[in-house]
Amino acid sequence: RKEVEQDPGPFNVPEGATVAFNCTYSNSASQSFFWYRQDCRKEPKLLMSVYSSGNEDGRFTAQLNRASQYISLLIRDSKLSDSATYLCVSLRAGSYQLTFGKGTKLSVIP
Amino acid sequence: GAGVSQSPSNKVTEKGKDVELRCDPISGHTALYWYRQRLGQGLEFLIYFQGNSAPDKSGLPSDRFSAERTGESVSTLTIQRTQQEDSAVYLCASSLAATGVGEQYFGPGTRLTVT
Repeated sequence: RKEVEQDPGPFNVPEGATVAFNCTYSNSASQSFFWYRQDCRKEPKLLMSVYSSGNEDGRFTAQLNRASQYISLLIRDSKLSDSATYLCVSLRAGSYQLTFGKGTKLSVIP
Repeated sequence: GAGVSQSPSNKVTEKGKDVELRCDPISGHTALYWYRQRLGQGLEFLIYFQGNSAPDKSGLPSDRFSAERTGESVSTLTIQRTQQEDSAVYLCASSLAATGVGEQYFGPGTRLTVT
């Protein structure tokens, strides 16, 4: 079983829609979580960190459920520019090795 | 300010040849990481450098792979006797010390094709 699993998609949504991605992790020692965004043939870029209490950054909301070992990312009012692959990332306590999921591809359609 | 830079951006090489990939981290970032991303796959950790500490080489897939870093600056990843399965994008990232490990800044990568 992969340490971080994501639905690969693609998720094809119209502009303005709300879309949610889930990610599950198998290692209970995972302490910190992040969402990265990767545009086609580009490098990953940090989108947001995920805090235990959940956090929001504009149209993006991330939540963590430690009991069920999943992380979610909600995107409201989708824009064409949100089209990308979203990578779920975990970090074990005391480690510096990020573990990346394979990503979920989002296409926002006009 | 300048981001992480990598060179070359693309490299095509014949099976069995050696290749050297270069990474220039963001100035002041003491932590540097190398990853590999095969087509359709997630990023695989290769190696980690932090300041003058011994690097963590636990992710290197074989002894054909090696990496060096000069102080807190440039790093080179060397692949000897390349194989077709080495074809991938090799990404370098840097961060502010070990506490910033979750917030990594990636370079544009080197796309390696072994024919």
